[in-house]
Amino acid sequence: DIVMTQTPLSSPVTLGQPASISCRSSQSLVHSDGNTYLSWLQQRPGQPPRLLIYKISNRFSGVPDRFSGGGAGTDFTLKISRVEAEDVGVYYCMQATQFPRTFGQGTKVEIK
Amino acid sequence: EVQLVESGGGLVQPGGSLRLSCAASGFTFSSYNMHWVRQAPGKGLEYVSSITSNGGSTFYASSVKGRFIISRDNSKNTLYLQMGSLRAEDMAVYYCARLTGVLDYWGQGTLVTVSS
Repeated sequence: DIVMTQTPLSSPVTLGQPASISCRSSQSLVHSDGNTYLSWLQQRPGQPPRLLIYKISNRFSGVPDRFSGGGAGTDFTLKISRVEAEDVGVYYCMQATQFPRTFGQGTKVEIK
Repeated sequence: EVQLVESGGGLVQPGGSLRLSCAASGFTFSSYNMHWVRQAPGKGLEYVSSITSNGGSTFYASSVKGRFIISRDNSKNTLYLQMGSLRAEDMAVYYCARLTGVLDYWGQGTLVTVSS
């Protein structure tokens, strides 16, 4: 199974300041079809996970443009340009290149 | 609108069984592989099981293999998870999810509590 490793596990941020989360996979996430199926999920307190970013850098419908994703191969990043109160929660990277789907440990974003 | 609605969770004694269901709507259910993912209290997301679109292939996490069975009924747009020999460590919210890596959707989850 592909192991996904996130850093940091906790990110205290001041409102209006940027935040960045890294995710590393144990093997390349490039699929045989040429796509890289790396997603970022957001889980607000008491809510199910929801898709934010897919295929490294594509924002899902309704996701604010302060969220951006980047990277390639085995190293990926989620950035929030200016953290807002509604961004508090846990963020997970997930790979969908192979079965089984695997997830990072989660990064908790909280306001300082 | 894509909707995934889980049901069937509840309190069960250690060693007991439970069947979870996930009713899908808003998309062509029979065209998609489907997945179960769980989340223990205060913990992260853990893959449980997957099934291909026609039900021909199934996959399991090692922690549930031999105890859980995933299945689907494409005529009813419903995904199932039959859970047996339940242990305390199986206590979690169980999510049904469509995880294509492109347009992914999650249900609200159903809570399974394992306790005597």
